[in-house]
Amino acid sequence: TQLLEQSPQFLSIQEGENLTVYCNSSSVFSSLQWYRQEPGEGPVLLVTVVTGGEVKKLKRLTFQFGDARKDSSLHITAAQPGDTGLYLCAGALAGNNRKLIWGLGTSLAVNP
Amino acid sequence: GAGVSQTPSNKVTEKGKYVELRCDPISGHTALYWYRQSLGQGPEFLIYFQGTGAADDSGLPNDRFFAVRPEGSVSTLKIQRTERGDSAVYLCASSRAYNPNEQFFGPGTRLTVL
Repeated sequence: TQLLEQSPQFLSIQEGENLTVYCNSSSVFSSLQWYRQEPGEGPVLLVTVVTGGEVKKLKRLTFQFGDARKDSSLHITAAQPGDTGLYLCAGALAGNNRKLIWGLGTSLAVNP
Repeated sequence: GAGVSQTPSNKVTEKGKYVELRCDPISGHTALYWYRQSLGQGPEFLIYFQGTGAADDSGLPNDRFFAVRPEGSVSTLKIQRTERGDSAVYLCASSRAYNPNEQFFGPGTRLTVL
């Protein structure tokens, strides 16, 4: 059973398009993070959200934490080829934040 | 160094052999994590150290896997009697104290078991 469901698993779009990646769970998280990983590298932290309903922006990336802290989304506006990579969500369970629970990732390809 | 380093970057071994993978965390980070990652998938938690002790080793798949961190800094992941199914990228991350919100990852060691 996957505690964090990410969708879509694969996404191939054209430069300039918008996209949204979802991370869903039936469990409540005390915090949730989004990472981006390029081939041959480890994941790099993009953002941490901790408050239900929180919205954070990072240039063309908008991150939202659900009101109930069970889900999150990542929206990219006007995607660029440099956005290509594996996007991972990871969460610390409420009441047990000793380790992160990871989603399986969304592999994004932005074509010029 | 400035970041987490892992050696070797690639390791090819034969089924049944023993391997050691090394992780050098960011200086001053007391927490260290090992993950295993298959192609295109998220990291799978293996073990977490707080200082020298393994605080949570629930992710180790079986007793062929063992990890140590004798001085609270460098850690070694040891795999005995390797199997083809052990082939994966092994990632190490470190953080200050215990803060799962800010883990800094190394580039990983790609292990291939022939």
